[in-house]
Amino acid sequence: GAVVSQHPSRVICKSGTSVKIECRSLDFQATTMFWYRQFPKQSLMLMATSNEGSKATYEQGVEKDKFLINHASLTLSTLTVTSAHPEDSSFYICSARDLLRTDYNSPLHFGNGTRLTVT
Amino acid sequence: GQNIDQPTEMTATEGAIVQINCTYQTSGFNGLFWYQQHAGEAPTFLSYNVLDGLEEKGRFSSFLSRSKGYSYLLLKELQMKDSASYLCAVRSNSGNTPLVFGKGTRLSVIA
Repeated sequence: GAVVSQHPSRVICKSGTSVKIECRSLDFQATTMFWYRQFPKQSLMLMATSNEGSKATYEQGVEKDKFLINHASLTLSTLTVTSAHPEDSSFYICSARDLLRTDYNSPLHFGNGTRLTVT
Repeated sequence: GQNIDQPTEMTATEGAIVQINCTYQTSGFNGLFWYQQHAGEAPTFLSYNVLDGLEEKGRFSSFLSRSKGYSYLLLKELQMKDSASYLCAVRSNSGNTPLVFGKGTRLSVIA
């Protein structure tokens, strides 16, 4: 089945630094990837939709200058948390659909997530 | 707006059956998904309903009533490893669009 790989799985950084998270579709091409964030005991909240070759679409309340998304190829999207602060500590997770094997009704396949801790 | 409700926590006994309910009010409807998520891990897909009725996959079944905005996930022959959060999610728009998730139901299976 479709596999989405995310790296790193855990990162601890100091306040004010930037962190890059990579999301790769390993056995399929993904023109669109979705980035979610999950705080403890909360739901997965959509942050942005990443589109290959064009600008990402951000959800209301998500700062596009703070969460930089680059979808440079059909298999790679990156999320950079710039000038991270402790309140950005969360579980970040990407997802995509394999539209060659299935259709829009297919489920989203998730990466393993990145646990970000900002000290 | 988008609103998806499910109970926060449930407890059930090993070997029993448990039903996790989900109600939704969304701007559109193009399918409902159930995912399982263990703590600190990614969600894994369990089931999908787009038409009314019951979908069965082994020990897991999911039901949908579009007129009532209601779904449930049924887990049979519970095992300890079924202890996890179960997320109800709706695809409200057509096309390659994201899912809107409920807060999840944390299920504890006890001996």
